[in-house]
Formats: sequence, C-alpha cells, structure tokens
Amino acid sequence: NAGVTQTPKFQVLKTGQSMTLQCAQDMNHEYMSWYRQDPGMGLRLIHYSVGAGITDQGEVPNGYNVSRSTTEDFPLRLLSAAPSQTSVYFCASSSPPDNFDGYTFGSGTRLTVV
Amino acid sequence: EDKVVQSPLSLVVHEGDTVTLNCSYEVTNFRSLLWYKQEKKAPTFLFMLTSSGIEKKSGRLSSILDKKELFSILNITATQTGDSAVYLCAVENYGGSQGNLIFGKGTKLSVKP
Repeated sequence: NAGVTQTPKFQVLKTGQSMTLQCAQDMNHEYMSWYRQDPGMGLRLIHYSVGAGITDQGEVPNGYNVSRSTTEDFPLRLLSAAPSQTSVYFCASSSPPDNFDGYTFGSGTRLTVV
Repeated sequence: EDKVVQSPLSLVVHEGDTVTLNCSYEVTNFRSLLWYKQEKKAPTFLFMLTSSGIEKKSGRLSSILDKKELFSILNITATQTGDSAVYLCAVENYGGSQGNLIFGKGTKLSVKP
C-alpha cells in the first residue's frame, strides 16, 4: 500500500543546478499534480496532469517542467535552480471525477537552493 | 480571483476545549471542499464536502458546508494534544475533465496539556 512515493526527501542545490523530483503512485490514478508549500503561503499548484501525455500549468509554473509518459510517474524538473525555489514540494494524485474521494499526498521533498 | 481564506491563522487552546475553524471561499466552479490535517509531513485527508447542510463526522471531528454563504467550519470537541497540527482547507475548482485544489493558508492549532 505505497500510495504516492516521492524521492528524494531532502535535497540541497546550488543556484543554477538542475534536478528532478520524482513522484510515483500505484493507485492507477489518472490525475497527478505538484504543489509547493512556503511559510504563510499555503500550498500552491505548480503543474498538473489529467493523464499520460497530458500536462498543464497551475498557479506558479515558472522555472519548472513536467512530463507524463506513464500513468504511474510524474516527475518535476528544475532546469536552473534559484533560491526562490527553496520550498517543500508535494506530489498528489486523485481518482477520476466519477469516483472522486479526495487527493492523496506524498510525504514531500524539502528543497534548499543556496 | 479564486481564493480560500481560513481563520484564525493560529489558535492555542487547552486539552478538553472545543474549537471551531473557519474556511470561506470564492471559486469560479466549485465542486467540493476538503479538509486536511498536516503535522510534520504530508497533509492527511479528513473530510470532503459537496452538499450544503450535511454534517460529516469522524470521532471528535465534524464539518459542515454552506454553499449559499460560501463557507465551511471544522469542529473539534474535547481536544487532545494529538490534535495539534495545521488544518488546511482546500476547494476543488472544477473545469473541464478535472479539478484543481485551491488551498487556504491553514490554521495552526496548538493544544496545551
């Protein structure tokens, strides 16, 4: 019963470095999304996907890329990290609208950019 | 602009107290309102509300939605120290084939022994 798995749990990057945050789910959910959580800001949507091959931007997409080649995986890429991207990142997935029962979140990735 | 506003932002109570957390929203295409509890890690699901006036209950926690006045409340009775957490309210903004969640900033609840 893995649910939503995020790796790594912690990461420190230097400004300008690139990296990929991994997210995988084993619930056969079509919908997956990435949020960032900053102090006093709540969770804000970065990108989301409604199925393999389909992605779209959320509220704060700049500086991030995503792709969805399989139903299970939804990686988030930082092409050139900036200190403003220091945050906690959560991946979430959900069941289809006709069987919607809420979102399941991964345990998060705490990213620090120095 | 779609938004979700929670109040209060923080709250300190003593064990045994009853608390009420508030969530108001303005969303273009409302489908559901969700409550989450967040301790050290990921938000954990508490309730999903879609219809007005129907109370959802789980143990000492309960929640209700008012779609006319655009708000929801989360009640916790006989609070315990284990209830200390940030409580997040999120509204599903439904467009097309799927909805996205818009979160409030959360209410930080501290329960003292």
